[in-house]
Amino acid sequence: DTGVSQDPRHKITKRGQNVTFRCDPISEHNRLYWYRQTLGQGPEFLTYFQNEAQLEKSRLLSDRFSAERPKGSFSTLEIQRTEQGDSAMYLCASSLASQGNEKLFFGSGTQLSVL
Amino acid sequence: AQTVTQSQPEMSVQEAETVTLSCTYDTSESDYYLFWYKQPPSRQMILVIRQEAYKQQNATENRFSVNFQKAAKSFSLKISDSQLGDAAMYFCAYRSYWGRDDKIIFGKGTRLHILP
Repeated sequence: DTGVSQDPRHKITKRGQNVTFRCDPISEHNRLYWYRQTLGQGPEFLTYFQNEAQLEKSRLLSDRFSAERPKGSFSTLEIQRTEQGDSAMYLCASSLASQGNEKLFFGSGTQLSVL
Repeated sequence: AQTVTQSQPEMSVQEAETVTLSCTYDTSESDYYLFWYKQPPSRQMILVIRQEAYKQQNATENRFSVNFQKAAKSFSLKISDSQLGDAAMYFCAYRSYWGRDDKIIFGKGTRLHILP
């Protein structure tokens, strides 16, 4: 068990390009979350999955954002037609759903810079 | 909607001293969970401590303890015997009770500096 891994660690792209990030959760975890964090701010919730089902999406997640977790294991977050405002750290976390106080395990994030 | 407020953007403490980080939250719910997460320069968030709202006893984890005041909607973190490795961003977080709303809401964070 190597924890939650995210790939890539850093991504630089030009405005208008599409980008895709990957998250590999801890293997037995059934919940997977995506958060976005800008400099000096706390993480903002984007979406989460229970197994392969996407249970909630934030209003922050515009139509340009899409997330998948096709087999209930790894997840991808795609941003289409990137904008400079998309520049942020994208964090993935996973957990084993229990009574609500379960511990979230976070990855090290993908830092996106849109030029 | 629930909100979490951390009014101290930055704090400093002398090594080996005690420091308290403040957090207030707003909710109409009676059952919920509260957390403190630490984010060191490596950016990987780590759970420090958690509290169930239905428990009156304050949670403790070694040098970390909380002061949970439900009526005041206050949830402060006390770090005793501060160490250089405690330097990090600390985030207070809220989660609704099981099955109601499963996202965790974070405050804006407090950057803690440890002075040698």
